Amino acid sequence: DVKVTQSSRYLVKRTGEKVFLECVQDMDHENMFWYRQDPGLGLRLIYFSYDVKMKEKGDIPEGYSVSREKKERFSLILESASTNQTSMYLCASSSYGTETRQPQHFGDGTRLSIL
Amino acid sequence: KQEVTQIPAALSVPEGENLVLNCSFTDSAIYNLQWFRQDPGKGLTSLLLIQSSQREQTSGRLNASLDKSSGRSTLYIAASQPGDSATYLCAVRGNQFYFGTGTSLTVIP
Repeated sequence: DVKVTQSSRYLVKRTGEKVFLECVQDMDHENMFWYRQDPGLGLRLIYFSYDVKMKEKGDIPEGYSVSREKKERFSLILESASTNQTSMYLCASSSYGTETRQPQHFGDGTRLSIL
Repeated sequence: KQEVTQIPAALSVPEGENLVLNCSFTDSAIYNLQWFRQDPGKGLTSLLLIQSSQREQTSGRLNASLDKSSGRSTLYIAASQPGDSATYLCAVRGNQFYFGTGTSLTVIP
């Protein structure tokens, strides 16, 4: 069965810290995505990657960076955490090939609080 | 830019009722539309995926339809149960995925 695993369900960090959110998928998917979800705003795409070492900015990349050194792992980095980055972060993956036909699979999310 | 709207934002029904959730989108140039379920504090679980060439998809008590030309999709839930209580989101696939803000469904026993 499809499995996307996010390393932490809950995370509390302080303003100014560098924060790493990890996501691993076991389906050999080429595409991986990071979203944040906020009440009233829905899901917003931060970054996505369609191959190892490749990345593309989504709608709200400011304050974030990503790393994809291996196909199965996609990391989201908050360079200097701020309180407005308190949110639910969701990782997803999908396959390529006829990728426009393939569904996205999501992890359970990481609820990040920045104090 | 693609905009996805889900109305109503919240819905409460008694157990056993059939119900319809709505999703509309502004740009009909999509590859597919996906319906998800999200339980509180959890990630998204895929329910149904409709390709742009399809009109509907069925899974158990769920039926999703797609009218691409009018920019609309519906999710029909038959014989609702308390376990169906969750937030339902739709997402369309264009250049990237675009999500609605969801409909929060409560099924009252």
